[in-house]
Amino acid sequence: QVQLQESGPGLVEPSETLSLTCAVSGYSISNGYFWGWIRQPPGKGLEWIGSIYYSGRTYYNPSLKSRVTISLDTSKNQFSLRLSSVTAADTAVYYCVSYRTCFDSWGQGTLVTVSS
Amino acid sequence: SYELTQPPSVSVSPGQTARITCSGDTLPKQYAYWYQQKAGQAPIVVMYKDNERPSGIPERFSGSSSGTTVTLTISAVQAEDEADYYCQSADSSDTYVVFGGGTKLTVL
Repeated sequence: QVQLQESGPGLVEPSETLSLTCAVSGYSISNGYFWGWIRQPPGKGLEWIGSIYYSGRTYYNPSLKSRVTISLDTSKNQFSLRLSSVTAADTAVYYCVSYRTCFDSWGQGTLVTVSS
Repeated sequence: SYELTQPPSVSVSPGQTARITCSGDTLPKQYAYWYQQKAGQAPIVVMYKDNERPSGIPERFSGSSSGTTVTLTISAVQAEDEADYYCQSADSSDTYVVFGGGTKLTVL
């Protein structure tokens, strides 16, 4: 059973870079699967941010591509999200996920608020 | 950009059948997935590859596909099924993931 846990600052200032990490347990990320991030603004729906294959190939939402970087750290069995030039519109609960046949494991989610 | 369209809300009484639809141009070629999200919780998958039910999901949940529309059917709805439901699929190149806007299922 794959378990995921997000960590990172809960408050980010406008124009700064949002950085989150997802610690993975129960499976080695270098063995396979896709790993990714999904976010949900308060009271709104789900938005896919991007995914990374265990090989390192990345896939990003076209609407966020210019600001997003997802990377793997196999030595720590974790993966990370960086979202640059944030605005209030980036305020959301951010979930890290694993994808085998579907998004089958989700972290509990972490609320990131963009505000000065 | 590619979109999936869901009704914002569906309401049923306990014991009745709920049907939640999701429409999109590439659904004839791409699988659909359904996620249930209860208040304050992370989503869980309740249907994958159109009509495959994960282990642990009750048999009253089923999925079907017809042309550009996929449907999540919940038979004999129970109060515990009240939640937001999201469909998910991919674009025609199978590169980008897209979610529907979500449907709030209310059990009256």
